[in-house]
Amino acid sequence: AQSVAQPEDQVNVAEGNPLTVKCTYSVSGNPYLFWYVQYPNRGLQFLLKYITGDNLVKGSYGFEAEFNKSQTSFHLKKPSALVSDSALYFCAVRAGFSGNTPLVFGKGTRLSVIA
Amino acid sequence: EPEVTQTPSHQVTQMGQEVILRCVPISNHLYFYWYRQILGQKVEFLVSFYNNEISEKSEIFDDQFSVERPDGSNFTLKIRSTKLEDSAMYFCASSEGASGISSYEQYFGPGTRLTVT
Repeated sequence: AQSVAQPEDQVNVAEGNPLTVKCTYSVSGNPYLFWYVQYPNRGLQFLLKYITGDNLVKGSYGFEAEFNKSQTSFHLKKPSALVSDSALYFCAVRAGFSGNTPLVFGKGTRLSVIA
Repeated sequence: EPEVTQTPSHQVTQMGQEVILRCVPISNHLYFYWYRQILGQKVEFLVSFYNNEISEKSEIFDDQFSVERPDGSNFTLKIRSTKLEDSAMYFCASSEGASGISSYEQYFGPGTRLTVT
């Protein structure tokens, strides 16, 4: 069965500093990996995905993530954090790509960027 | 930009009552999903729906739950007799699913917070 682990409940970073939100996964077969962000009173917004190809994936709002197959990780990164990046971040995995394959989510990491 | 909408944003109900949560997926999407998030816990898959029938469901989705696409735009989740443990945020999602890997990206609504008292 697929699973996702986000080992940090909370990440605090100063504005302008680089940020990393960690994610590791477990899946049989090829992983399809996603990051979503949730702002207060909003739905889950798609940030980026890894399907195949380059291990470094670039997404919305300057975020990127690096797929590391040997470490089964897909950490989310941004070179310079903004206060507006403060939100709840979810990593998710799909084990297959038929249309009905559900996403399996991590428990989320709350990012707090301090001015 | 098209988006998934959900109503109501917050629903309070008494234990044993029936509730219907409503979703309007993105108009050209073919796959629909419900997920839920109990406070402080993971987002969990409930059910996926395609071509007017359930295509996959989790063990959470028992006989108390049902889904329906009553018309060309709405997608509903019904809980027949709510329990305290049904209190959660319920997210609807849709995906295009027409062709190609990128079409299976899921777009989420803002959620309905269900409180069962």
